Formats: sequence, C-alpha cells, structure tokens
Amino acid sequence: NAGVMQNPRHLVRRRGQEARLRCSPMKGHSHVYWYRQLPEEGLKFMVYLQKENIIDESGMPKERFSAEFPKEGPSILRIQQVVRGDSAAYFCASSPSLTGAADTQYFGPGTRLTVL
Amino acid sequence: AQKITQTQPGMFVQEKEAVTLDCTYDTSDPSYGLFWYKQPSSGEMIFLIYQGSYDQQNATEGRYSLNFQKARKSANLVISASQLGDSAMYFCAMRGVPDYKLSFGAGTTVTVRA
Repeated sequence: NAGVMQNPRHLVRRRGQEARLRCSPMKGHSHVYWYRQLPEEGLKFMVYLQKENIIDESGMPKERFSAEFPKEGPSILRIQQVVRGDSAAYFCASSPSLTGAADTQYFGPGTRLTVL
Repeated sequence: AQKITQTQPGMFVQEKEAVTLDCTYDTSDPSYGLFWYKQPSSGEMIFLIYQGSYDQQNATEGRYSLNFQKARKSANLVISASQLGDSAMYFCAMRGVPDYKLSFGAGTTVTVRA
C-alpha cells in the first residue's frame, strides 16, 4: 500500500519563477493537507483540501500561493514569483476521513524548495 | 487556539537506555488528539503514536509509549531501549475535534550514542 507521494523531492528556483509541488494521497484517502516547515521550526498548517474543494486556506499567504485538488490527479501547491523567504520544506499529508481526533494524518517525504 | 510546547531542544541518550521527551499543550477544546512524529535526517515525517483525550489508558506502540497526564496537559513520549536509528527530531502535535489542523511543537532532537 503506497504511502503519500510527493514530487519533486528537491526543487530549485530563481527569484520570480514559479514552483509547482505535487502530492498524491494514500489510496483511499480523500483529505489532503499542506504544511510548511521553515528551517529549525515545526510544521505550520497551510491549507486543507478535499476533491475539487478548498476547505480551509487560512494558513496560506494571501498572495502568490494557491492550491488545488482536482477530481483526477494529484493535489498541486503552486507558488508564483517565488522569493527567498519561500525556501522551506513543504509537506503534504492525507487522511481517510474526519471521524474524530484519532484520524491520523500520514505525511509524504516533503519537497525541499530552494530559491536562489 | 492550540499551543504545543517542547522545551528540550536537544537530548543525548545512551544506546539501550530509555529517554523521555516532554510535551505540554494548551487547548480549550474538550476533545482532542495528541500525536508524535519522528523526522530523521532524511527529512520525512513518520507517525509514531496517538493518544485521544478521552482514552483511559496510555498509548503504546512497540518501544514507544505516551505518558498522558490530562490534568497537567502533558503528553510525554517515552522511547525504551534506544537504538542508533532513533536519532532524529521528534515533534509533538495535536488537533481538536472537529478541527483538522495539526499544531506542532518546535521539536526535540534526540541523539543516540553507541
């Protein structure tokens, strides 16, 4: 049973370019979450999506960041016009449902974005 | 709002000994879940153990156990019989019900010495 898949694992962009990060949830999971980890810090929630719906994007920066989870295909986190401060590890997690606090989120390996 | 505090930035432990990682939390939610994740140097986040706020018994998973003291709002992770492969960063996290966001602490780095 494949885990959460993320690609690419490492991404280098120059300032002003676009970054696209992909996440395929675990089989049977319909909930996707994106978190960002700055160096030497814990993970911070960015956005929660279900198929074709953004449920909560309260952790997303207001500009340049967007996320989607289409009916077919992986979830995409898109960062336009990247700046050096966007350099971080971006983690995707998935869970099967929202039955309660025990609903564990399983994480992908992360994408490490470096902005030059 | 939820807050997780991990006060130990780094710890050393001798191989085969036990180590306790501290985690305290603050929440106004009556029902919540507490999680521990391991992040080795390779960077992935590995789920270790879960404790529900209404669980009567402390959670255990192999060499991992969670010392849950609800009145003190603490959820310490105990790793028994440490192995070299346990060297990693460990994060405590929680989520309320029916919330879905995980709130993470700053993490504790564990280094196991041979």
